[in-house]
This record gives sequence, C-alpha cells and structure tokens, in this order.
Amino acid sequence: NAGVMQNPRHLVRRRGQEARLRCSPMKGHSHVYWYRQLPEEGLKFMVYLQKENIIDESGMPKERFSAEFPKEGPSILRIQQVVRGDSAAYFCASSPEFFSPGNTIYFGEGSWLTVV
Amino acid sequence: DQQVKQNSPSLSVQEGRISILNCDYTNSMFDYFLWYKKYPAEGPTFLISISSIKDKNEDGRFTVFLNKSAKHLSLHIVPSQPGDSAVYFCAASGPTNAGKSTFGDGTTLTVKP
Repeated sequence: NAGVMQNPRHLVRRRGQEARLRCSPMKGHSHVYWYRQLPEEGLKFMVYLQKENIIDESGMPKERFSAEFPKEGPSILRIQQVVRGDSAAYFCASSPEFFSPGNTIYFGEGSWLTVV
Repeated sequence: DQQVKQNSPSLSVQEGRISILNCDYTNSMFDYFLWYKKYPAEGPTFLISISSIKDKNEDGRFTVFLNKSAKHLSLHIVPSQPGDSAVYFCAASGPTNAGKSTFGDGTTLTVKP
C-alpha cells in the first residue's frame, strides 16, 4: 500500500532552467495539495487540485509556476525560469476526499529543489 | 503579518514527562486547527486536530487544547518518548478547506532519554 510518492527527491537546476516535480497520490485519492517550505519556515499552501481541475491556486506565485493533475498520471508542479529564491522543499499531499474536519491527509516525503 | 505563531523554536523535555507545545493565531476567521509532526527529510504527518466548537480533543498520548478567546492552542504529549523528537507544526484554516491551512514556523521538540 504505497504512500504518496514524490520524485525527484532532490533536484538541482541552474538559474533560468525549468523544474518539474511529480506527485503520485495514494491509491484511491483524487485530491492533491502542493506546499512549499522555505528553510526555517513552515509550509505554505500553493495549490489544490482534483483530477483534471485546479480548485484553488491562491497560494501559487502569479508567474512561472503552474500545476496540473491529469486524468492519467501524476500531478506535476512546474517552475519555469527558476531563480535562487525558488530553492525550497516542495511537499505534495493527498486525500481520498476533500480535506475537511473529520478526515485526514497524507504527505509525500518532499522534493528538494536547489537552484544554483 | 504572521497569522499563526509558534513562539518557541525549540523545547527540550525528559522522557516520561509532559511536553507542551504552544501556538497563537491572529485571524478570528480560523475555525479548524491542526498539528503535524515532521522528521528531518520526511514529509509532515497529520497528528491531531480540533474544531472551534470544541476546547479539547484527545488521541492517545496527544491532547490539543483550544482557547478561542485567547486565540491560543496547545499540544500536550504525555508521557513524552524519545521517538517524539521531531518538529511540530501548528496550522489553522477556515471551516471548509483544511488543506489550505496557514502554518506556524514549527517547534523542535527533543525528548531526552
């Protein structure tokens, strides 16, 4: 019973390159959340997706960042033209239904992006 | 303006004693509060939560207390075990989308054998 799978675990990109982070939710989960954690800080919500739909992207930077969760395959967080400030841990979480009081959410182990 | 604050970056406790982790919030629209535990290089694990209609929720060794008038919540771990050593994050959300939580910066708990 695999948990939330994120890859790559570690990614190094030069400034200006693109970073693609993938998240496969737990089996049977159709709700995916992405968070970013800067060093010494808490997690910050970025985007909430269901299959083929972006439900809430209010935490996403307006430029260079995009997310998708296609009908088949993992959810992808894409960062174009990366800058040093994008260096962070990116966590994905999934839930079988909308995460609300009374149910729970499961996190992946994170993807660490380093921009050099 | 940080809406969820964990004012103690670290806490050290002896094994078997009580650990108390504190969290303050400023946004009165927050209605649901959560605690997560995180080990280094791993993702957070959802621990326990509380809705604003309650003032206490208990799950085994973990109890969360909510004081709405003071906008304060705390996580009690009794008895503390060395395996509890981790970073604990407090988070808060509106009533509808707990996934869109605002997190504190975390408190590192060390439980000494």
